[in-house]
Amino acid sequence: AQSVTQPDIHITVSEGASLELRCNYSYGATPYLFWYVQSPGQGLQLLLKYFSGDTLVQGIKGFEAEFKRSQSSFNLRKPSVHWSDAAEYFCAVGAGYALNFGKGTSLLVTP
Amino acid sequence: DAGITQSPRHKVTETGTPVTLRCHQTENHRYMYWYRQDPGHGLRLIHYSYGVKDTDKGEVSDGYSVSRSKTEDFLLTLESATSSQTSVYFCAINAEGRDIGYTFGSGTRLTVV
Repeated sequence: AQSVTQPDIHITVSEGASLELRCNYSYGATPYLFWYVQSPGQGLQLLLKYFSGDTLVQGIKGFEAEFKRSQSSFNLRKPSVHWSDAAEYFCAVGAGYALNFGKGTSLLVTP
Repeated sequence: DAGITQSPRHKVTETGTPVTLRCHQTENHRYMYWYRQDPGHGLRLIHYSYGVKDTDKGEVSDGYSVSRSKTEDFLLTLESATSSQTSVYFCAINAEGRDIGYTFGSGTRLTVV
């Protein structure tokens, strides 16, 4: 079955520092992969997605992610974090008609 | 997001009572989903629909039923609410399957006492 693992439950970074959130997937074929962000009390917003082509994907809000088949990973990156990036981030993999989500990584941004 | 509305936004109910949550969309999307979100578990799929009257179970469907009598509405019913069903429930819509990505509603916070 398709599944997603986000190894880091919480991450703290300083404002202006770079960010990398990890995501590992389990899937037999080429996966459909997504990153979503959830601000407190809100629904989830799609940041970016990958399903074929260039393995480096650009998303909204300055985020990017790189698909690495050899490592079964789809890590999310941002070169310089802003305080407004504090939120919960979810990686997801396509599974038939639905998505399977990881358990999320909570990002705290310090001054 | 515009185009998808969940109601109610908050509800407190007693153990053993039936509860229905509503998801309404104005996007005419074929696919609709119900997820629950719990700390430490992320989002887990309860049920989904791939068309009017076409539904299927997800990972955590026990104790829940759904109905979709028209394209725009997807109802989630807790047949007899239990404290373990205290959660935040999210509806999502998708136009044509998994490669597009979902649009999520704002969620319903349900407390079963």
